[in-house]
Amino acid sequence: DADVTQTPRNRITKTGKRIMLECSQTKGHDRMYWYRQDPGLGLRLIYYSFDVKDINKGEISDGYSVSRQAQAKFSLSLESAIPNQTALYFCATSDSRWGNTEAFFGQGTRLTVV
Amino acid sequence: GQNIDQPTEMTATEGAIVQINCTYQTSGFNGLFWYQQHAGEAPTFLSYNVLDGLEEKGRFSSFLSRSKGYSYLLLKELQMKDSASYLCAVRDRGGNTPLVFGKGTRLSVIA
Repeated sequence: DADVTQTPRNRITKTGKRIMLECSQTKGHDRMYWYRQDPGLGLRLIYYSFDVKDINKGEISDGYSVSRQAQAKFSLSLESAIPNQTALYFCATSDSRWGNTEAFFGQGTRLTVV
Repeated sequence: GQNIDQPTEMTATEGAIVQINCTYQTSGFNGLFWYQQHAGEAPTFLSYNVLDGLEEKGRFSSFLSRSKGYSYLLLKELQMKDSASYLCAVRDRGGNTPLVFGKGTRLSVIA
């Protein structure tokens, strides 16, 4: 089983709909992140959380919101989806207890807004 | 602002050596990371440099020069399965803050 699990893996939704992408982890990490990836643009940070109740905006937070319901769960919502939010979304985690550590990524959610 | 540059695409021959460069201009520096990403899959961690010099890990090595804002990833004895995108990422602050990624280099390994 994956340590960082994203659901759904694929989703097609209509413009204007609200949609939630979920991320859960069994790694016991405190830090969680949401990135989106677009061809030619690389991975861009949407939101991040250092712990439960801590939420921080990233580079491209407009049109998105997040919730850190528990240390293991971090969900991303699109309040009113628009076609330019079509992208591959990745959740990632890292552990601050051991200093400067790498981020671990989930399998990704491919979102299409029509 | 943050700027991380890598070549968009590279092609190399099976069995050869390839070097993928990354230059960065960031507000701070607290480590440089390389990731491998196969098409449609999650990025996976390859290497980490925080001090100047070379880090070797099997067929993969990564080099850092902080004074030049420069790193490279060296892949030896290329295999077809090394065809993937390679992502350079910088942590610009302490405290395990989010990584800032370059746009990635798509490597094609040909026979």
